[in-house]
Amino acid sequence: EIVMTQSPATLSVSPGERATLSCRASQSISSNLAWYQQKPGQAPRLLIYGASTRATGIPARFSGSGSGTEFTLTISSLQSEDFAVYYCQQYNYWPITFGQGTRLEIK
Amino acid sequence: QVQLVESGGGLVKPGGSLRLSCAASGFSFSDYYMSWIRQAPGKGLEWVSYISGSSTYTEFADSVKGRFTISRDNAKKSLDLQMNSLRAEDTAVYYCARPLDLAGSGIFDIWGQGTMVTVSS
Repeated sequence: EIVMTQSPATLSVSPGERATLSCRASQSISSNLAWYQQKPGQAPRLLIYGASTRATGIPARFSGSGSGTEFTLTISSLQSEDFAVYYCQQYNYWPITFGQGTRLEIK
Repeated sequence: QVQLVESGGGLVKPGGSLRLSCAASGFSFSDYYMSWIRQAPGKGLEWVSYISGSSTYTEFADSVKGRFTISRDNAKKSLDLQMNSLRAEDTAVYYCARPLDLAGSGIFDIWGQGTMVTVSS
């Protein structure tokens, strides 16, 4: 089973600033990496797949990069609605696995 | 619009059983693999099971293998998860989820609102 490790566990950033979230896979997953956003009491929302392709309706301030084992989600200018928990997920191998999440909080 | 609605959650004693359902609408249900994904309180996401569009293929996480079964009724556009021999560690919100594409990739763009399962004596 592929282990996904996200860092940091919590990230404090001011609105308008840039946020950079990291995700590492225990072995190469090519570019088969997705990012999800989850707000309290809601289901996850797909943001990015293929490591860098934005899902339908996702604002351009969200961008993803990386391949192999190292991946990054960048939010260029944080809006109030972006403060949430973010999960990475690999889908290169079954079982698909998720990282433990990064909580993005207002500084 | 495309929608998934789960039902069937509740409180059950350890060793008991529960059947979850997911009603799909707004898309060609039979064309898609479907999955169940769960989230324990305050924890991360864990994929549980998938079933192919024609029910030919199913897979389960090791943590539930032999205890859970997955099924679907394409005529009714419904997905079920039968959970037996429940344990405290099965306590979670259970989501049904649809993948982005027809190939059964593990990219989930449509999620239900979730149904809570609590296993406790």
